Amino acid sequence: DAGITQSPRHKVTETGTPVTLRCHQTENHRYMYWYRQDPGHGLRLIHYSYGVKDTDKGEVSDGYSVSRSKTEDFLLTLESATSSQTSVYFCAISEGLGTGLDEQFFGPGTRLTVL
Amino acid sequence: GIQVEQSPPDLILQEGANSTLRCNFSDSVNNLQWFHQNPWGQLINLFYIPSGTKQNGRLSATTVATERYSLLYISSSQTTDSGVYFCAVVTQGGSEKLVFGKGMKLTVNP
Repeated sequence: DAGITQSPRHKVTETGTPVTLRCHQTENHRYMYWYRQDPGHGLRLIHYSYGVKDTDKGEVSDGYSVSRSKTEDFLLTLESATSSQTSVYFCAISEGLGTGLDEQFFGPGTRLTVL
Repeated sequence: GIQVEQSPPDLILQEGANSTLRCNFSDSVNNLQWFHQNPWGQLINLFYIPSGTKQNGRLSATTVATERYSLLYISSSQTTDSGVYFCAVVTQGGSEKLVFGKGMKLTVNP
């Protein structure tokens, strides 16, 4: 199994509070991704990183920010959580050949509930 | 953007039966992956198959890139095969972004 951990695994928070989710990898892979999974939508890309301090937006980036200060860590921040951000969040990694040919591997997920 | 459609959306089988899951996509792709999400929510990589045929035990997959579809075959299904199956693609020129289908829920009864 790819060495990907996510923390916390479960979180309940209130509307308007900031929330940070962490993804940690031990594979030294270049690319890291954050997805959210909602019923009826499959998984949708929020943001991704193609190197330290290099990030880009995905399909559903509004209300989220990310940071990557080390190869192994990718943080997802909800500056002011809303109920619409209640979801299961998955981190993924890929080696980073840069040609769209990489296989992505997923972490265990974080279940976030915003009340 | 690219559309990824999976069929059937739901399937119920008896243990030992065979099944075929289909994934259609609307544009040329560089990458196609099949995943199984087990009842605990874990996403498990089944196949990385942008073209051709691969087999892994009771599972096999075929992607016909020129006709923009992929098939996942499950033979002699077991209750542990239950869960949701996702197809996901990366479009040519679409960087590294995986676009997922909505998934297909498989229930295998004993």
